[in-house]
Amino acid sequence: DARVTQTPRHKVTEMGQEVTMRCQPILGHNTVFWYRQTMMQGLELLAYFRNRAPLDDSGMPKDRFSAEMPDATLATLKIQPSEPRDSAVYFCASGLWAGRQETQYFGPGTRLLVL
Amino acid sequence: GESVGLHLPTLSVQEGDNSIINCAYSNSASDYFIWYKQESGKGPQFIIDIRSNMDKRQGQRVTVLLNKTVKHLSLQIAATQPGDSAVYFCAENIDGANSKLTFGKGITLSVRP
Repeated sequence: DARVTQTPRHKVTEMGQEVTMRCQPILGHNTVFWYRQTMMQGLELLAYFRNRAPLDDSGMPKDRFSAEMPDATLATLKIQPSEPRDSAVYFCASGLWAGRQETQYFGPGTRLLVL
Repeated sequence: GESVGLHLPTLSVQEGDNSIINCAYSNSASDYFIWYKQESGKGPQFIIDIRSNMDKRQGQRVTVLLNKTVKHLSLQIAATQPGDSAVYFCAENIDGANSKLTFGKGITLSVRP
């Protein structure tokens, strides 16, 4: 059963600390997305990659957030330094681009609380 | 069923009845639409999608209808079950050249036993 996996599932940290979230996309998928979900803003796209190259990170605060794909099986989202307003659920999704919009399959999310 | 927009209302239906969840999308140029279901504590789960060259698409117990004239998308669930209780999101792809999805705020479906 192919699934997107995310670690950690929960993270509580103090303001100013670095937070790293990891995602393993479905094997064979070539597009990876990072979303943030809050009650106020709903689901927001932060960034996405295709074939490990960043295609769009316009939704991501550039001063503290960074996203990378060290290899095809790992995507990371880092926040440094973290702030209380970063508290949210962060989802990774993956899909297979074949020339037109791909179905995005979501992971279980990382629930982040910054105190 | 009730007609709802992109805010987060609650739709309550009796188990066994059909549910209709509505969504008004934002961009007339959007050409790809998806419905997701999100259960408490879980990530969004793909239900069904439809492209703008179609008006209707059916899956297992679900049907998506697209009315491009009025920019309206609906999800019909037949014989609603307690396991269908969740938040449902519609999403649209505005630019076919990329993969960016814009999500609605979601609607909570509550199934009464």
